[in-house]
Amino acid sequence: DTAVSQTPKYLVTQMGNDKSIKCEQNLGHDTMYWYKQDSKKFLKIMFSYNNKELIINETVPNRFSPKSPDKAHLNLHINSLELGDSAVYFCASSQDQARPFGYTFGSGTRLTVV
Amino acid sequence: KQEVTQIPAALSVPEGENLVLNCSFTDSAIYNLQWFRQDPGKGLTSLLLIQSSQREQTSGRLNASLDKSSGRSTLYIAASQPGDSATYLCAVDSGNTGKLIFGQGTTLQVKP
Repeated sequence: DTAVSQTPKYLVTQMGNDKSIKCEQNLGHDTMYWYKQDSKKFLKIMFSYNNKELIINETVPNRFSPKSPDKAHLNLHINSLELGDSAVYFCASSQDQARPFGYTFGSGTRLTVV
Repeated sequence: KQEVTQIPAALSVPEGENLVLNCSFTDSAIYNLQWFRQDPGKGLTSLLLIQSSQREQTSGRLNASLDKSSGRSTLYIAASQPGDSATYLCAVDSGNTGKLIFGQGTTLQVKP
């Protein structure tokens, strides 16, 4: 019954590797997002997609590439991982751009690059 | 550029106390404001959503107010309990893109 689910929950990997984080929502929402929470717990948007179309790309290095195969899924692929990519990544969704009910967040993926 | 500030950064209170968490934002042209709770190592749980046309929202012991003209929101927690211990995040939605701007959070500890 999880509304927004992310996998994996934890990810430990070496510098230079490529990894993906998957996100799925079963709320029927049209818009999905990726947020990054840094070591100081500050949350900042990375991307948003509305019905598979990229809406926001918040000056994120092009090593990060979101992919939305359909409006229920928004995956995040990261190439050539760096130490500074270590953070918690949150997926979220909202009911179209009117957002009458705000946002629903997933439980996060803790990425550790060693 | 919208900026969101939360004060205090940390708060420790004895159980049973009523408390207020503050959130301020620099651009009053907001779409809505949402309060979240984050437990250590966990995701974000939505507590209250206030649309720009509303002044307050209530859920159980929680009450959130919004004053757009002064760029402020408060989250009032009545009769605090140890289970309320968490980080509380305020987030402002400023436009059509749905981008949320978060504050740094207030970490609350309620002591038994």
